[in-house]
Amino acid sequence: GQQVMQIPQYQHVQEGEDFTTYCNSSTTLSNIQWYKQRPGGHPVFLIQLVKSGEVKKQKRLTFQFGEAKKNSSLHITATQTTDVGTYFCAGRSNTGKLIFGQGTTLQVKP
Amino acid sequence: DSGVTQTPKHLITATGQRVTLRCSPRSGDLSVYWYQQSLDQGLQFLIQYYNGEERAKGNILERFSAQQFPDLHSELNLSSLELGDSALYFCASSPQELLAGYTFGSGTRLTVV
Repeated sequence: GQQVMQIPQYQHVQEGEDFTTYCNSSTTLSNIQWYKQRPGGHPVFLIQLVKSGEVKKQKRLTFQFGEAKKNSSLHITATQTTDVGTYFCAGRSNTGKLIFGQGTTLQVKP
Repeated sequence: DSGVTQTPKHLITATGQRVTLRCSPRSGDLSVYWYQQSLDQGLQFLIQYYNGEERAKGNILERFSAQQFPDLHSELNLSSLELGDSALYFCASSPQELLAGYTFGSGTRLTVV
């Protein structure tokens, strides 16, 4: 069945360093979404990418959708302690099913 | 407050018991989704309802069932509970099926002892 793999599983960075998480699908996606879950919280929708090669920015966060629409990345520039949490990608197949990746947990050392 | 309400927030019950988790979607949202999140695990999709009808099933056990009522609230029933069912259960809603992001509730933490 369709799988969405996300790496790395965990990442520890020093405050101010950059961070990137990668998402890969076994099949072509119609769109991809990104969510953030703070420790003890619930997932919060961040953004959706639809077009091949699309790049979107939210302040220090840059989201990319691959040309083949099978991979995506989230890059955080100059991490802050408020960036701590688990970042999930979720890929939507052509059948409409949304499959979540396993998430990347980011720890930021002040 | 995300607009998606889940009750109860915490639930402790014994093995073999049955519980019902409740979810009220965000106003105007027709789709409701249930997810299970075990410790340090990702979000496992259980089931989706759209405007009262079951739309998709994920890795939902036969001991689990759900429904969406005419007022669009949804209930997830978990029966013959086992220790391994202990997890966070999230409900999410969206206005449309295919193009919208999901709004998650704050979850119900189920502990089976």
